[in-house]
Amino acid sequence: GIQVEQSPPDLILQEGANSTLRCNFSDSVNNLQWFHQNPWGQLINLFYIPSGTKQNGRLSATTVATERYSLLYISSSQTTDSGVYFCAVEYGKLTFGQGTILTVHP
Amino acid sequence: DAGVIQSPRHEVTEMGQEVTLRCKPISGHNSLFWYRQTMMRGLELLIYFNNNVPIDDSGMPEDRFSAKMPNASFSTLKIQPSEPRDSAVYFCASRRQGEGYTFGSGTRLTVV
Repeated sequence: GIQVEQSPPDLILQEGANSTLRCNFSDSVNNLQWFHQNPWGQLINLFYIPSGTKQNGRLSATTVATERYSLLYISSSQTTDSGVYFCAVEYGKLTFGQGTILTVHP
Repeated sequence: DAGVIQSPRHEVTEMGQEVTLRCKPISGHNSLFWYRQTMMRGLELLIYFNNNVPIDDSGMPEDRFSAKMPNASFSTLKIQPSEPRDSAVYFCASRRQGEGYTFGSGTRLTVV
């Protein structure tokens, strides 16, 4: 099956810092999504981004499908950004990476 | 739009008992998915339905697990008999073709 690798596995930031999370995948995909799992366990859909660039407030994402990677940018991080960020790719079914655990300290 | 609704939010049961998890997808979404999340294995797809028809159940761990979708607005995931290793968070998600997935809040199952 398709492999999804996320990096880094853990990230600790001070409030206000910027960060970039990466997702590599092993094969062509039909769909790619970024999710944030908050400390209460909810999975929040951040971006549906099979290709190109999208922005939503302080967050933006870029997927380069031909090179099989996607990046999630978080600018001016806040403590509420803490949680786990998952990349998930779809080829027949949606397969999740292992996630990046982000901790933002005040 | 109330989102994907799952019930119960938490379930504690004794080993050997039957457990039924419920999901109401978003109206107009034609695909429904059941996922399980554990520390060891992360998020795994158990089964998914298109237009109420089961398409891929290869992720269902064993015969103790079964899922149904009797209509477009309701699905159940049943475990009978339950075992401690079934303890996990079970998520339901739905989507409209060509769009992203929306997940419910999950059911945290503890089997003692």
